[in-house]
Amino acid sequence: AQSVTQLGSHVSVSEGALVLLRCNYSSSVPPYLFWYVQYPNQGLQLLLKYTSAATLVKGINGFEAEFKKSETSFHLTKPSAHMSDAAEYFCAVSVSTGNQFYFGTGTSLTVIP
Amino acid sequence: NAGVTQTPKFRVLKTGQSMTLLCAQDMNHEYMYWYRQDPGMGLRLIHYSVGEGTTAKGEVPDGYNVSRLKKQNFLLGLESAAPSQTSVYFCASGKSPFGLAGLPGTQYFGPGTRLLVL
Repeated sequence: AQSVTQLGSHVSVSEGALVLLRCNYSSSVPPYLFWYVQYPNQGLQLLLKYTSAATLVKGINGFEAEFKKSETSFHLTKPSAHMSDAAEYFCAVSVSTGNQFYFGTGTSLTVIP
Repeated sequence: NAGVTQTPKFRVLKTGQSMTLLCAQDMNHEYMYWYRQDPGMGLRLIHYSVGEGTTAKGEVPDGYNVSRLKKQNFLLGLESAAPSQTSVYFCASGKSPFGLAGLPGTQYFGPGTRLLVL
């Protein structure tokens, strides 16, 4: 079975500070990993995805994530937070042997001016 | 190109009432999904479909039924609504979890339907 755990349901950072959102996964087979963002009253949008081509994945809006197999992690980072980054972020996992995606419980990011 | 649309945007039901949520996509996607989103629980898969005329159960299927009579539409039904079904429901679609190269596809989400069951 596959699952993801997002540590910290709420994260607050100052504008211009580093953003770090944590995601750890559990999978018995090589996983594919995703980060989605959800702005208030909207659906989810894909930020980036790991497909085993490169361990450091760059996404939209300056976000990137690094796949670390030894740590079973796929943390999301952005060097400098912007007010517009305030949103809910979801980590998700899927595997090639299934049809489903499994989402974490989400991390709400607040950016303080 | 509207992407994924959901109807209605908001609905209030009384316990025991029935309703159908409609999801439509215009991207010719094979796969469609219904999720519910609850505070502190993230998104949980209710049912999904891998093509027209097919449906399969997800993580939390009880109390829901689905139908995929047309490729572009995926309907979620509540036969007898319960307060525990108060939630935000999201529909998503995608070409395939895994494309021709075996790489994972992207899910495209609708804006959501807020359902309140009293």
